Amino acid sequence: GENVEQHPSTLSVQEGDSAVIKCTYSDSASNYFPWYKQELGKRPQLIIDIRSNVGEKKDQRIAVTLNKTAKHFSLHITETQPEDSAVYFCAASWTGGSYIPTFGRGTSLIVHP
Amino acid sequence: NAGVMQNPRHLVRRRGQEARLRCSPMKGHSHVYWYRQLPEEGLKFMVYLQKENIIDESGMPKERFSAEFPKEGPSILRIQQVVRGDSAAYFCASSPQEDLNTEAFFGQGTRLTVV
Repeated sequence: GENVEQHPSTLSVQEGDSAVIKCTYSDSASNYFPWYKQELGKRPQLIIDIRSNVGEKKDQRIAVTLNKTAKHFSLHITETQPEDSAVYFCAASWTGGSYIPTFGRGTSLIVHP
Repeated sequence: NAGVMQNPRHLVRRRGQEARLRCSPMKGHSHVYWYRQLPEEGLKFMVYLQKENIIDESGMPKERFSAEFPKEGPSILRIQQVVRGDSAAYFCASSPQEDLNTEAFFGQGTRLTVV
C-alpha cells in the first residue's frame, strides 16, 4: 500500500512569513494529492489538491508543487495570518487498489501575530 | 446538501460496552471511508465501504471492530467490548461514485471516550 511521510510535525512562523510543508509518498501509481486543513475540534477540510499531470497549482496565498520523479509534493502558504493556524494533512490516493486516501501524520502550523 | 453527518458527536462508554458510530454520506455519494485519529496523530485508515460491500478493511483491527453500509440507512462502525485504547476521534468521509480519485468530504467526527 501507500505510505506518506510529512514534515515538519510542528511549524511556528511570524505573521506575514511563508510556511512550507513537505510530503513524500511511496507508490508511483498515486496520482491525486489533496491537502486538508483541520482546525481544533473540527473536521478536516480540503484546501487545495493537485493531480499527477500538473506540476504546480496556486489558489491565492496557497500553492502546491508536485515532483513525480522524486515522489514528493509540498504546500506553500505565503503571507501567513493567525487564522492559518491549524493542523495540515497531506494525502496521496493511489490507483493500484481502491483509491483510498492515505494521510501523512499532519503538521501543526502556528502563526504568531 | 447537509454534508457528511456523523452521530453522536461525543460518546462515552465504560470498558466492555459496545460503541456504535453512525455516518450518513453526502447525498449522491456511495463510497464511505472510516478513519481514526488519536491525539497528536494523523488520520489512520480503517475501512472503505460501498453500499452493501466492504471494499477494503485492511486498516481495521481483526477483533472487536466491524463496519457495514447497508442498502438503506447510514454506515455503522461498531466497536465491541471497548477498551481505553479505543478512545479517539473517528471520522467518516464520503466520495461520489462517478469520480473515485477526488476529494473526500469529512464529517464532524465522533469523539469516543472510554472510561
